[in-house]
Amino acid sequence: DVQLVESGGALVQPGGSLRLSCSASGFSVSTSYMSWVRQAPGKGLEWVSFIYGGGTRYYADFVKGRFTISRDRSENTLFLQMSNLRAEDTAVYYCAGLYNTNWAHPWWGQGTLVTVSS
Amino acid sequence: QSALTQPPSASGSPGQSVTISCTGSSTDVGGFKFVSWYQQHPGKAPKLLIYEVTKRPSGVPDRFSGSKSANTASLTVSGLQAEDEADYYCGSYGGNDNFIFGTGTRVSVL
Repeated sequence: DVQLVESGGALVQPGGSLRLSCSASGFSVSTSYMSWVRQAPGKGLEWVSFIYGGGTRYYADFVKGRFTISRDRSENTLFLQMSNLRAEDTAVYYCAGLYNTNWAHPWWGQGTLVTVSS
Repeated sequence: QSALTQPPSASGSPGQSVTISCTGSSTDVGGFKFVSWYQQHPGKAPKLLIYEVTKRPSGVPDRFSGSKSANTASLTVSGLQAEDEADYYCGSYGGNDNFIFGTGTRVSVL
């Protein structure tokens, strides 16, 4: 069975940084399409970033230049490095594994809460 | 790119059907077959219901079905059950290696 477990969410001040982790089992982070999706409190889902099996990375415009997606093959873990955080980045952040050919998101973690506030 | 447009709410009685629309443009929903649908219960992670417009992952009941016409995709839930009460989101590949979710629809079972 595929399992994704996020960690690293916390309360951080505006302008601060945070790194989220997503540990995978039953699934290879390094050869699969992976995604970060966020959900602000009481709001809808919002795509944040992709990393493809070959390593190419893509970002939503609202995080470009501030967030970096990466992965560690040996730990089978996906990361999201977030910097220059803003209040509007407050959300539950989910990692998700994708079907490689159609961008559907069948595998999700339980989410980790990031709160940006002074 | 803007979120895909869904109605905020939909409802039906047990056993009835409800259909949720998801409207985008020719550069996302209308331009690709990569539309997917997700169900989310409060406090839980989303669950994939439909991918590639009409396909169901293993384990998803055939009460859930998808379709698309031009720039609008639709999800139909037939034979509504109490456990279908949840939020539903569409999603589409948006071209240029991005992904767009819909605004979400809360389905109530009366």
